[in-house]
Amino acid sequence: DAKTTQPNSMESNEEEPVHLPCNHSTISGTDYIHWYRQLPSQGPEYVIHGLTSNVNNRMASLAIAEDRKSSTLILHRATLRDAAVYYCILRDASGGSYIPTFGRGTSLIVHP
Amino acid sequence: DAGITQSPRYKITETGRQVTLMCHQTWSHSYMFWYRQDLGHGLRLIYYSAAADITDKGEVPDGYVVSRSKTENFPLTLESATRSQTSVYFCASSHTGFVYEQYFGPGTRLTVT
Repeated sequence: DAKTTQPNSMESNEEEPVHLPCNHSTISGTDYIHWYRQLPSQGPEYVIHGLTSNVNNRMASLAIAEDRKSSTLILHRATLRDAAVYYCILRDASGGSYIPTFGRGTSLIVHP
Repeated sequence: DAGITQSPRYKITETGRQVTLMCHQTWSHSYMFWYRQDLGHGLRLIYYSAAADITDKGEVPDGYVVSRSKTENFPLTLESATRSQTSVYFCASSHTGFVYEQYFGPGTRLTVT
């Protein structure tokens, strides 16, 4: 099963950009890269996903390496509300019985 | 409002008792999931369901039972609760299973004494 590796924690200052890395060196061609975040005392919420091309939405941008072995979630201007645990996971689109693994994610600390 | 709800939000029970955690979604999503979250372990999938009357095991199914007689409900039962099942439980749903985004409920904090 493809798995992901993320730093345990990162820190940022408010209103600065944040780049959260994720390594997935064993990714297969049908795996989508998904990002979720979990605010304190809440359930995870979807942030963004992509397959090969970079993606943008109102919450963040996703930059995917050309070989797809790594990706970066970009928060363009961090706010205090962005302090959360960010999970990078892979979703198999091939129809197999792949069970997604959330792992421990990256705890983002945002300083005022 | 449409959404995904869990009940109860907090539960304290004793070892050996049966406990059922409820999950209800109003989107008519085909897929539903149960996760548990413990300190240092992230989210671990317990069971999931692709449709009514179709369920399958996740990473940590032992000690849990699920059923899905209606699309909108996916209860999780601990038949004989143990202290190791003290955790926060999250229910989630999605349209197309693992590929697209999941929507998570607020969680149930279960303590087994």
